[in-house]
Amino acid sequence: DAKTTQPTSMDCAEGRAANLPCNHSTISGNEYVYWYRQIHSQGPQYIIHGLKNNETNEMASLIITEDRKSSTLILPHATLRDTAVYYCIVLDYGGSQGNLIFGKGTKLSVKP
Amino acid sequence: EPEVTQTPSHQVTQMGQEVILRCVPISNHLYFYWYRQILGQKVEFLVSFYNNEISEKSEIFDDQFSVERPDGSNFTLKIRSTKLEDSAMYFCASKNRHNSPLHFGNGTRLTVT
Repeated sequence: DAKTTQPTSMDCAEGRAANLPCNHSTISGNEYVYWYRQIHSQGPQYIIHGLKNNETNEMASLIITEDRKSSTLILPHATLRDTAVYYCIVLDYGGSQGNLIFGKGTKLSVKP
Repeated sequence: EPEVTQTPSHQVTQMGQEVILRCVPISNHLYFYWYRQILGQKVEFLVSFYNNEISEKSEIFDDQFSVERPDGSNFTLKIRSTKLEDSAMYFCASKNRHNSPLHFGNGTRLTVT
């Protein structure tokens, strides 16, 4: 079962920042926070991941709280093409082959 | 940017027939996966494969399913005798190291009639 809680859906205006929250209150010290998205039945697309520190790449920023019980994915300037289902997944490499377990995610709708 | 490639994009088959879904993972990757997504439902893990053997499999991956890496580039999923409930999108994924992100293909839509 997914170990994260995300809102079912969110709206964002085009050009504004999209802030997608995720709760992972039972996260353990070895578990990474991963974000993927799925655009209309395409394959899931990797966005970003982190362990403790905030991370930024060309797609997004990941803000992880100090206690690591929640995180926020930030798309700084959302476009219509960012409309997708966003998945927050916690993953421990120690005891597995790194199999991602997907929940229901957040359906982000970017509106003009 | 290298991609995971899946063929065909859409496969229609009759119930009881065998089907093989094909994937070409990213060339230097060593870990291979199959996932499926029934229409309107979550993406579900099926199987992981490393060093020419299955590493882990889910309850979904029963005796009707098998995977193979027949050569240095392809990774296949075979369903021996398809059922109506096997209709789904099947996604192949790969990664190069144990703690690397997974990269997914765009899937094969399997329709069993």
